[in-house]
Amino acid sequence: DQQVKQNSPSLSVQEGRISILNCDYTNSMFDYFLWYKKYPAEGPTFLISISSIKDKNEDGRFTVFLNKSAKHLSLHIVPSQPGDSAVYFCAASDGGNQFYFGTGTSLTVIP
Amino acid sequence: NAGVTQTPKFRVLKTGQSMTLLCAQDMNHEYMYWYRQDPGMGLRLIHYSVGEGTTAKGEVPDGYNVSRLKKQNFLLGLESAAPSQTSVYFCASSSGGTQYFGPGTRLLVL
Repeated sequence: DQQVKQNSPSLSVQEGRISILNCDYTNSMFDYFLWYKKYPAEGPTFLISISSIKDKNEDGRFTVFLNKSAKHLSLHIVPSQPGDSAVYFCAASDGGNQFYFGTGTSLTVIP
Repeated sequence: NAGVTQTPKFRVLKTGQSMTLLCAQDMNHEYMYWYRQDPGMGLRLIHYSVGEGTTAKGEVPDGYNVSRLKKQNFLLGLESAAPSQTSVYFCASSSGGTQYFGPGTRLLVL
């Protein structure tokens, strides 16, 4: 059973606007969350992470928000750029050695 | 500094054939992982290792074996390939937090 879910397979956004990618999880033991970006024919690359002791983490144009009570996190990209077009995976860990990934959201930023 | 490399990049196998996928990392990471990515399924963990000489099962270990004889290498073996093992395989390494991924191996089993 999928413990990390990304319910939107795809998202299209105009260049310069905000992109919001969502992720839900079911395991309340998850305490560390990450976002990865993946271009075609490449491996995923780390984008940003957040620990469960925080509710927000920011890195340049990328901000991750965590709502523990709702078991929900989101990635905001502002402003969106064409180079941001990729598949975005969220992942979660319970502090152990395993990471659980969502199914990914394909973001297209339209110039 | 090459990061994480995977060999081969692409392979076609016939059902029943065996092969080994090689992952190498030069970041001196303790942890290494093998994932498979299938359409609509995201990344699923096959096996992982927390150090040289150790391995453990992930979510989908059946049909695969692994070995970590050297810290920098993590091998994934398919003893008798099946069409259900057609997938893209990613290796990753970490020092306990963020994982760094290789470019992937595309495997087609006919």
